[in-house]
Amino acid sequence: ETGVTQSPTHLIKTRGQQVTLRCSSQSGHNTVSWYQQALGQGPQFIFQYYREEENGRGNFPPRFSGLQFPNYSSELNVNALELDDSALYLCASSKPGTRETQYFGPGTRLLVL
Amino acid sequence: GQNIDQPTEMTATEGAIVQINCTYQTSGFNGLFWYQQHAGEAPTFLSYNVLDGLEEKGRFSSFLSRSKGYSYLLLKELQMKDSASYLCAVRDVGDYKLSFGAGTTVTVRA
Repeated sequence: ETGVTQSPTHLIKTRGQQVTLRCSSQSGHNTVSWYQQALGQGPQFIFQYYREEENGRGNFPPRFSGLQFPNYSSELNVNALELDDSALYLCASSKPGTRETQYFGPGTRLLVL
Repeated sequence: GQNIDQPTEMTATEGAIVQINCTYQTSGFNGLFWYQQHAGEAPTFLSYNVLDGLEEKGRFSSFLSRSKGYSYLLLKELQMKDSASYLCAVRDVGDYKLSFGAGTTVTVRA
């Protein structure tokens, strides 16, 4: 158990819909990173939030957006869902620092039909 | 950008040793991580290397050579529960994102 929680665990949406995924970070961690993991692939970095500001972004379109709240929990929003958005969405929390490790939550499995 | 390569699959016998290699070509380097991921679950942290050399943690060891862009994860005294995907990830300079390889699926047979 990493202390990182995500909700919901599973979600089914249809193409064009919007989805919000939630993440609560481990106690004491003020940084949250989001990753997308397609079947059989490694996780791909979407973006990171540090102290409520976006702190870096991967190669994902603007319809992927996020928020971080004062308690360091975070949301990932995806608009205009596409079939290729079907994946496991992982959040990871960490503290900034050279040796700090990112600890992952259990993920949300999204299926877009 | 980042290019991280690791073998797709490996099979070994219970009690044996397996070495999973990872090579990387990255624009920036601020540490290499190994994660274990069982099917349908989240990645769990195994090891971290930022300096050259071997880090040992019980049955698991990880090695790094920055000049060669090379790391390996060594799993000793394999157990059935070690059957999983093993992910190599490089952290970029600026300390924010991890770039992952596609993972190596290790199957442990009795």
